[in-house]
Amino acid sequence: DTAVSQTPKYLVTQMGNDKSIKCEQNLGHDTMYWYKQDSKKFLKIMFSYNNKELIINETVPNRFSPKSPDKAHLNLHINSLELGDSAVYFCASSRLAGLYEGETQYFGPGTRLLVL
Amino acid sequence: AQTVTQSQPEMSVQEAETVTLSCTYDTSENNYYLFWYKQPPSRQMILVIRQEAYKQQNATENRFSVNFQKAAKSFSLKISDSQLGDTAMYFCAFMKQKGANSKLTFGKGITLSVRP
Repeated sequence: DTAVSQTPKYLVTQMGNDKSIKCEQNLGHDTMYWYKQDSKKFLKIMFSYNNKELIINETVPNRFSPKSPDKAHLNLHINSLELGDSAVYFCASSRLAGLYEGETQYFGPGTRLLVL
Repeated sequence: AQTVTQSQPEMSVQEAETVTLSCTYDTSENNYYLFWYKQPPSRQMILVIRQEAYKQQNATENRFSVNFQKAAKSFSLKISDSQLGDTAMYFCAFMKQKGANSKLTFGKGITLSVRP
C-alpha cells in the first residue's frame, strides 16, 4: 500500500511550458509539504498546507502555485518553466502540525523534472 | 533560523563493520526534533530514526542508534553491522517542536558506501 504517492515520476518538458505534479496521501494526515531537491542533492521546503490552508510559503517564485483540493491531496503547478526548475520535487505528509509538537514527515517517491 | 551541518561529504565502510555519521546543528530553540533520513539510489526518502530533544535517552532502531549531545548540539548516527543495502545518502534534519511551521531543515547529506 502506497502511503504517499506522486505522479508523474518523471517529467521532461520544454522551457516556457506549464506543468503540474500531483500528490496524494492515504495516511489520514492533516499536513502536506512540497520540498525541492536540487542538482547538489540539497533539500529545501517550498510549501506546506494544513487542512487545505497554506501555512508555509518559503521564498518561491510566483510561478509555483500549490493547490490542496482536500487534505489528502496537494498538487504543485508550475507556470513558464525555466531551466533552473529542473530538480526532484518531493511531497511529504505528517499528522497535524500543532502548536505543541511536530510530527514525523513521510515522503513520496519524488518527481524528477527536467526542463530542456 | 536553524542550520544543520554535515561536514563529511562521503564515507566508506566495510560490510559488517560499524560507521558513525556526524551532524551538528544550531538553534536557539529548547524543544525540537532531530531526524536521520536515508536516500538510496531509488531516490525514496526513508526515515531512519528520530530523537526528541527533551528525551535524554538516545534513540535506537535495530542496527541504527544516535548519539545525541544537546549541549554540544551534536546528533550523530551509528550504523552497526553495516549491510550493502545501507549504501545511500544520509540526511540529518531538524524540526522545531512548537509552532505551525513544522518544516524540516536538512543538512547537505553524506554519501555512505558499504564495501563488500
